[in-house]
Amino acid sequence: DTGVSQDPRHKITKRGQNVTFRCDPISEHNRLYWYRQTLGQGPEFLTYFQNEAQLEKSRLLSDRFSAERPKGSFSTLEIQRTEQGDSAMYLCASSSTGFDTFGSGTRLTVV
Amino acid sequence: QKEVEQNSGPLSVPEGAIASLNCTYSDRGSQSFFWYRQYSGKSPELIMFIYSNGDKEDGRFTAQLNKASQYVSLLIRDSQPSDSATYLCAVRNTGNQFYFGTGTSLTVIP
Repeated sequence: DTGVSQDPRHKITKRGQNVTFRCDPISEHNRLYWYRQTLGQGPEFLTYFQNEAQLEKSRLLSDRFSAERPKGSFSTLEIQRTEQGDSAMYLCASSSTGFDTFGSGTRLTVV
Repeated sequence: QKEVEQNSGPLSVPEGAIASLNCTYSDRGSQSFFWYRQYSGKSPELIMFIYSNGDKEDGRFTAQLNKASQYVSLLIRDSQPSDSATYLCAVRNTGNQFYFGTGTSLTVIP
């Protein structure tokens, strides 16, 4: 499979718990993006990596959110002390120099 | 002011008609413009990208860019029921951040 893969596809967690999502980009893509999408809205930019360097972080990304991309390959997005407002689809995308290719997303439900 | 603005619709067109989707953006220095299609419950998939003023055609799809007016549009000719989806306009700004509009919901009526 040469696409962007995300794991898990769905996550249900209790408020206050920590969750971690993984994204495996297309292998030759050096750029990796995380987005959050809620119902009826377009994807909102969260953060961006070029190789292993995190170059941009949206002000939407509170202190409870952290993202890593060790060795410039896969990336993880962790949300600590989840809140109900964190319920959304978390999308990962990768690109080389052009457009982003999206993974299928991780749907998070905080109960 | 939002980075990218679209009419949320819904937009309904009969099968075989032309669907016209519009988008404006705020960062005048933006250089890359994209249209994505998103089916319900699925992730966005790229339809078209355009970098230069004017029209770019790909099959039934035409993207139009007017940088002076900060306006991007997507025309879908001979609309099919399978084109029914939400269409997202996206702009890569001068800071290399990627901003999406809220999307326009299109329904093609058989």
